[in-house]
Amino acid sequence: DSGVTQTPKHLITATGQRVTLRCSPRSGDLSVYWYQQSLDQGLQFLIQYYNGEERAKGNILERFSAQQFPDLHSELNLSSLELGDSALYFCASSASDLNTQYFGPGTRLTVL
Amino acid sequence: EDKVVQSPLSLVVHEGDTVTLNCSYEVTNFRSLLWYKQEKKAPTFLFMLTSSGIEKKSGRLSSILDKKELFSILNITATQTGDSAIYLCAVGSGGSNYKLTFGKGTLLTVNP
Repeated sequence: DSGVTQTPKHLITATGQRVTLRCSPRSGDLSVYWYQQSLDQGLQFLIQYYNGEERAKGNILERFSAQQFPDLHSELNLSSLELGDSALYFCASSASDLNTQYFGPGTRLTVL
Repeated sequence: EDKVVQSPLSLVVHEGDTVTLNCSYEVTNFRSLLWYKQEKKAPTFLFMLTSSGIEKKSGRLSSILDKKELFSILNITATQTGDSAIYLCAVGSGGSNYKLTFGKGTLLTVNP
């Protein structure tokens, strides 16, 4: 158990819908990272927040957005969902950039 | 664009064999290289390397980084069936926009 929690574990929704994924980092970690893992693309970095501020952006679509709240939990919002958004979404946390990232168990999103 | 390439893509060995997994990279402003093991769940951290030539070791696993030649290797000796997993290499890069770029992984299968 990494100490990072993610909810929900599974999410099934329809195209065009909007969903919110939630992540609670390990106690004391200020950085939260979001990743998407699909069979064809592997693990892709989406976005990083550090102590409430956006720190780095990866391959995140404009339909996706994230935020980190004062209690350091983070939410990833996915809107206008398409079939291709079906994937495993991981959240990871770390104390700072050069510290190890610890991954949560992931949310499996299925878009029908 | 930052690039991380792992080889081989998959590998099948017998218990007791020694394996070497490779990771080469091309990134701007290298900061760290990390190895993860992924079974049927979230990646779990193995090693972080930031300095060239230093070997990190944990039990039967060891890793070394060559910053001049831009690659790293992960060695597993006396393999066991429990070592079967996908091994992911990730490179941390960037200054204020630090991010991790993952390779597609090496699928290791250890047969009894």
